[in-house]
Amino acid sequence: DGGITQSPKYLFRKEGQNVTLSCEQNLNHDAMYWYRQDPGQGLRLIYYSQIVNDFQKGDIAEGYSVSREKKESFPLTVTSAQKNPTAFYLCASSYRTYGYTFGSGTRLTVV
Amino acid sequence: GQQVMQIPQYQHVQEGEDFTTYCNSSTTLSNIQWYKQRPGGHPVFLIQLVKSGEVKKQKRLTFQFGEAKKNSSLHITATQTTDVGTYFCAGFNAGGTSYGKLTFGQGTILTVHP
Repeated sequence: DGGITQSPKYLFRKEGQNVTLSCEQNLNHDAMYWYRQDPGQGLRLIYYSQIVNDFQKGDIAEGYSVSREKKESFPLTVTSAQKNPTAFYLCASSYRTYGYTFGSGTRLTVV
Repeated sequence: GQQVMQIPQYQHVQEGEDFTTYCNSSTTLSNIQWYKQRPGGHPVFLIQLVKSGEVKKQKRLTFQFGEAKKNSSLHITATQTTDVGTYFCAGFNAGGTSYGKLTFGQGTILTVHP
């Protein structure tokens, strides 16, 4: 059964702590994306990758980092430099310009 | 940069009424996509429109792509409570390569009262 798996579903971060969100896909898609969604708002692009070992900043990349060492995996690290990290984080993948497949998301809360 | 505006932001309807959300891009799009996000869920791809003036239907949902490929609409006939959620449009810039990134609209939150 093909799809995208995000983990964990819920994550709590202490002030000054880095946390990593996992995103794995078995759809054989080249492109992968990370979006942030705040309550009642749209999707804002954090980073995207169109090929292994390459990625580009999106609209709100400050305080975040990514890696793309394998085609299947695109982890996102929320660093302590991100001052307002509480949000719903969505990972997606696509084949070229076709429709995105989204994971079920990770809800990150700062405690 | 490219902007995609979506209106209205909220829409409350009685079950059985029709619903329409509109999407406008600041630039010409190579294609436009529509997604639905149920409350507490993640966006799910509904459809993609590519051709100028294209109209597609999925049961009670009708999607249109403008002649200039800068606007689009989603119309739901006779809404049902299962239609509740946020509807997003998202566009690919016409100047892009085979790959690219979608720009999402802010979404329209639809509430259906039984």
